[in-house]
Amino acid sequence: GQQVQQSPASLVLQEGENAELQCNFSTSLNSMQWFYQRPGGSLVSLFYNPSGTKHSGRLTSTTVIKERRSSLHISSSQTTDSGTYLCALGRNNRIFFGDGTQLVVKP
Amino acid sequence: GPKVLQIPSHQIIDMGQMVTLNCDPVSNHLYFYWYKQILGQQMEFLVNFYNGKVMEKSKLFKDQFSVERPDGSYFTLKIQPTALEDSAVYFCASSPSTGGEQYFGPGTRLTVL
Repeated sequence: GQQVQQSPASLVLQEGENAELQCNFSTSLNSMQWFYQRPGGSLVSLFYNPSGTKHSGRLTSTTVIKERRSSLHISSSQTTDSGTYLCALGRNNRIFFGDGTQLVVKP
Repeated sequence: GPKVLQIPSHQIIDMGQMVTLNCDPVSNHLYFYWYKQILGQQMEFLVNFYNGKVMEKSKLFKDQFSVERPDGSYFTLKIQPTALEDSAVYFCASSPSTGGEQYFGPGTRLTVL
């Protein structure tokens, strides 16, 4: 079955709004990573965050292991934030990816 | 930050031919990985590799697939012979330790005709 579930599957925002992307997992983990996947397919690493909270500019990632969830918060969204966001659970030396959240930010 | 390079970025090949995808991992990393993403679908693990050996492979890693890293050169994924369903983007990754952060390359888009 699916070890990593992302929600929502898609999200449409007006520029300036905030976004909260969720990742729930059904197993234990060694690591948690968040990626942005460009329309062309290449990956941009956003966070390596196996536990706790990390910040990077307008992005915040929080992983709560005992609740088996991780979130990515985007504040003051911009049109350039549009794309696919992937969470990736690392376990037993392999990564399990979620299906992604497709974000569209309208001007 | 550390970068993983992949060569070529695109490859078009006729079904039945052999193809080799090349990955230049981060220089001091010891663990290497290949992932496959069919257009519009989820990214999926293929194989991991350490100390000259495959440690683990998924059911997607068919008998026609092989990996190697001879003498610290490129980490390669070879498919021989290729099939239509091998068309996908293949991502290489490396990490300094087991269970640690994985660094991904930009992917090689393989089209099998």
